[in-house]
Amino acid sequence: GENVEQHPSTLSVQEGDSAVIKCTYSDSASNYFPWYKQELGKGPQLIIDIRSNVGEKKDQRIAVTLNKTAKHFSLHITETQPEDSAVYFCAASSNDYKLSFGAGTTVTVRA
Amino acid sequence: DGGITQSPKYLFRKEGQNVTLSCEQNLNHDAMYWYRQDPGQGLRLIYYSQIVNDFQKGDIAEGYSVSREKKESFPLTVTSAQKNPTAFYLCASSNGPSGRRYEQYFGPGTRLTVT
Repeated sequence: GENVEQHPSTLSVQEGDSAVIKCTYSDSASNYFPWYKQELGKGPQLIIDIRSNVGEKKDQRIAVTLNKTAKHFSLHITETQPEDSAVYFCAASSNDYKLSFGAGTTVTVRA
Repeated sequence: DGGITQSPKYLFRKEGQNVTLSCEQNLNHDAMYWYRQDPGQGLRLIYYSQIVNDFQKGDIAEGYSVSREKKESFPLTVTSAQKNPTAFYLCASSNGPSGRRYEQYFGPGTRLTVT
């Protein structure tokens, strides 16, 4: 089955700086890559996703890039703010229903 | 106000007892899912259902059971056969009328503690 690895496990950045989280996947058939943000005690929230026919997607301060050849994708958060502090999960899917998740990255934005 | 509700938020049980976690959605989604989340790990799929009266095992189905009698509801039973039931349980749904099958939306979760 699909195996998704996520790095780093923790990330501390100064407010206003950028944060980058990287994920690799093993199944070359994977074609959907969402990113979720989870705040303490809450369910994950879908923040951005990308499909395999697109190399990059941007939504305000967040962007995701995909390199299908290398089988890795990344989340970029620019101009970080305290409210960006959370746990971020990447995931990958090769069909309509099953998502395989990375282990998560705890992001702390220092004021 | 559309969304996914899970109840209760916190649940405590004694070892050896079965317990059922509730998940309801009013998003008109066809597919529903149950995940388990443990500290330091990603979400792991327990069961999923693509349509009413049908469901499939995920990666860690042993010790769990589900039913899907209504489109809106997908309850999860944690049986006494589950070796380590203490965890945060998340329900999700996808495949709305727009046909966006990939996008999964999560409920707020139920934290189950078994002692």
